[in-house]
Amino acid sequence: QLLETGGGFVQPGGSLRLSCVASGFSFSRHGMAWVRQAPGKGLEWVASIDGPGTGTKFADSVGGRFAVSRDNSKNTVFLEMNDLGVEDTAKYYCARNVLTVDGAIGIQFFDSWGQGALVTVSS
Amino acid sequence: IVLTQSPDSLAVPLGERASINCRSGRTVQSIANNKNHLAWYRQKPGQPPSLLIYWASTRASGVPDRFSGSGSGTDFNLTITSLQAEDVGLYSCQQYYSSPTFGQGTRLEI
Repeated sequence: QLLETGGGFVQPGGSLRLSCVASGFSFSRHGMAWVRQAPGKGLEWVASIDGPGTGTKFADSVGGRFAVSRDNSKNTVFLEMNDLGVEDTAKYYCARNVLTVDGAIGIQFFDSWGQGALVTVSS
Repeated sequence: IVLTQSPDSLAVPLGERASINCRSGRTVQSIANNKNHLAWYRQKPGQPPSLLIYWASTRASGVPDRFSGSGSGTDFNLTITSLQAEDVGLYSCQQYYSSPTFGQGTRLEI
C-alpha cells in the first residue's frame, strides 16, 4: 500500500513537499517514482529514486526544481517541489518500481500506485 | 520517446473485442535482451492506474487472460476480448527503454 500526503494549494513560485508512506512490502528493495496527471490529461513521469536512495532521475520538465529523496527506516519517499508554476497543477501519484536487482531504476515500470495527492498552483 | 495512441476514445459493446494501438517514435526493443520495453496500464474512473502488461506481452499478476499485448519495435497493441463493464477507463501505454514516457491515453467506454 502507498499513501501520499502533503498536497494542497500553492501560489506560483511557491514550494510544496509530498510524502509517500509504503507498507506491505520490502520498501528498500524497490525503486520508487512520482508520476503526475494534470486534470483531464494523460500520465507524466516526474522523478524516480533507486532502492538505496543513491540514484535519482528527473523529467526534463522538472529538473532543477524538484528533488526526490527517501528514508528507508521510515518506508517513506519524498518529492520536494520548488518554483512551482501553474503547469505543475496535477494529481501526483507515488508508484512502486518493479523489483530489480538492488532496487535499480534502469528498468522502470510501476506495479503498485497510491491514490494520489492533488497539487494546485494558482494565484 | 514519444508514444502516440489510437484511437483517443472508443466505445465497444459488452462482450465484444476492443483493440488499442500504441506507436513509438523510435524502437523500444532492446538489443541487449531482445525485449520490448513497453507496458500497458488501465485507470478506472477516479482510481490510480494499475499495471496490465509489461515487456509488451506479459500479463501482470491477477490480470485476466482477456487482456493481451502484442507488437514489437515501434508498433504495439492491447486487445481486450469479451468486454465487461468493469473494463471502462483510460488505457495508457508506457515505454521504459529510456526515461519513462506515456501515451496520451485511450478512453474506453461501453
